[in-house]
Amino acid sequence: DVKVTQSSRYLVKRTGEKVFLECVQDMDHENMFWYRQDPGLGLRLIYFSYDVKMKEKGDIPEGYSVSREKKERFSLILESASTNQTSMYLCASSYRATGELFFGEGSRLTVL
Amino acid sequence: EDQVTQSPEALRLQEGESSSLNCSYTVSGLRGLFWYRQDPGKGPEFLFTLYSAGEEKEKERLKATLTKKESFLHITAPKPEDSATYLCAVRSNDYKLSFGAGTTVTVRA
Repeated sequence: DVKVTQSSRYLVKRTGEKVFLECVQDMDHENMFWYRQDPGLGLRLIYFSYDVKMKEKGDIPEGYSVSREKKERFSLILESASTNQTSMYLCASSYRATGELFFGEGSRLTVL
Repeated sequence: EDQVTQSPEALRLQEGESSSLNCSYTVSGLRGLFWYRQDPGKGPEFLFTLYSAGEEKEKERLKATLTKKESFLHITAPKPEDSATYLCAVRSNDYKLSFGAGTTVTVRA
């Protein structure tokens, strides 16, 4: 079975802190994604990557950056957390040829 | 810009009461329409992919259909374990998926 593992299920941070969210997949997928999910807004794409060291902005990249140094790992970075970044963050991966995403369990971030 | 709209937002059903969820979309070059199921506190789980109008897919009590402008997820004789949020997504000519806001289904015994 494909497994996508997100390092932290729940985080509480203070405004201005730097936040790292880590994601690892074990199926050699080329594509990896970071989404945030908010009630009534659905899943919105922050960044995605189709290869090591490659990254593309999604629909809401402001305030975020990403890193993909190894194929299996995709990190989301909040340089200076703000309260409007309180959300559920979901990592996903897929083979390039298909659109079927495999999601992690999610990381619920609260910024105070 | 790709757009996906799901309706209704919430659906409450009695066990055994069949119903349908709607997903309407606008996309530049459809490369697939996807249905996912999401349980509370978990990540979405893939259900179906549909690629062309007229296509249908089935899994247990769920059946997904596709037209040129919308997709339906039919739930036949639902059980309480079918309670979840169902998400629809479309893939256009790049690698991105655009998701709808979801329909939350509650099935009462």
